[in-house]
Amino acid sequence: DIQMTQSPSSLSASVGDRVTITCRASQGIRNDLGWYQQKPGKAPKRLIYAASSLQSGVPSRFSGSGSGTEFTLTISSLQPEDFATYYCLQDNDYPHTFGQGTKLEIK
Amino acid sequence: EVQLVESGGGLVKPGGSLRLSCAASGFIFSSFSMNWVRQAPGKGLEWVASISSGSNYIYYADSVKGRFTISRDNAKNSLYLQMNSLRVEDTAVYSCARDPPRGSYDYWGQGTLVTVSS
Repeated sequence: DIQMTQSPSSLSASVGDRVTITCRASQGIRNDLGWYQQKPGKAPKRLIYAASSLQSGVPSRFSGSGSGTEFTLTISSLQPEDFATYYCLQDNDYPHTFGQGTKLEIK
Repeated sequence: EVQLVESGGGLVKPGGSLRLSCAASGFIFSSFSMNWVRQAPGKGLEWVASISSGSNYIYYADSVKGRFTISRDNAKNSLYLQMNSLRVEDTAVYSCARDPPRGSYDYWGQGTLVTVSS
C-alpha cells in the first residue's frame, strides 16, 4: 500500500502569511495527487488536482507542485476563510490513501 | 449542478447491518467511477471502497473487506454500501465521492452518520 505522510499535522499562522504543506508518498505516484480543504461539518472541497492543476473557482493564492513522491500545497497569502483542515489524496493505486491532515489555525 | 446525497445512516448494534445509498444527479452517473469515504468523529479521511462505472472493477480497504459490499444501479443513478458485521470502530460519517477520469475526487456528498454502539 502507498503511505502518504503529511506534514505538519498542525500549523499556526497569521492572515497574510505564506504557508506550505507537504505530502510524501512511500513510492512514486506520478502526479496522481489532489489537495482538499475541509471545514467543520462540511464535505471536503477539492483545491488542486493532478498535483498542480487549480480547481475552477478556487482562488489563485492556492497552488500545488510536485511529482513522484514529494508534493506541496502553498497558500501565498492567508485569508481568514482559509483556516481549515487540509488533506492530500493519492489515487495512483488502490487502496487510495489520504494524508493525516493539517489543521491550519489562526495565530 | 452535480449533487450527491447520502442516506441510510443511523444507530446500529455491533454485529448489525446497514445499507447506505447515494443518490446522484446533475451528471451522467454511468460514466464515472464512484467511491465511499468515511471520517470517524474528530479523525481524518479514510477511503472505504471504489467501483468502476460499469461495476467491472471493485476495490475495498482491508478494514472492511469481507464485511462491506459496494454496488451501483446506473439506471437509478444510485450508489450503495451494504455494511454487515458492523463494529464500534466503523462509527463514522460516510460520504460518497465522484472519481473523474483525470484528477482525484471532485464532488462529495455531505455524508450520513453511522453509529455502532450497544
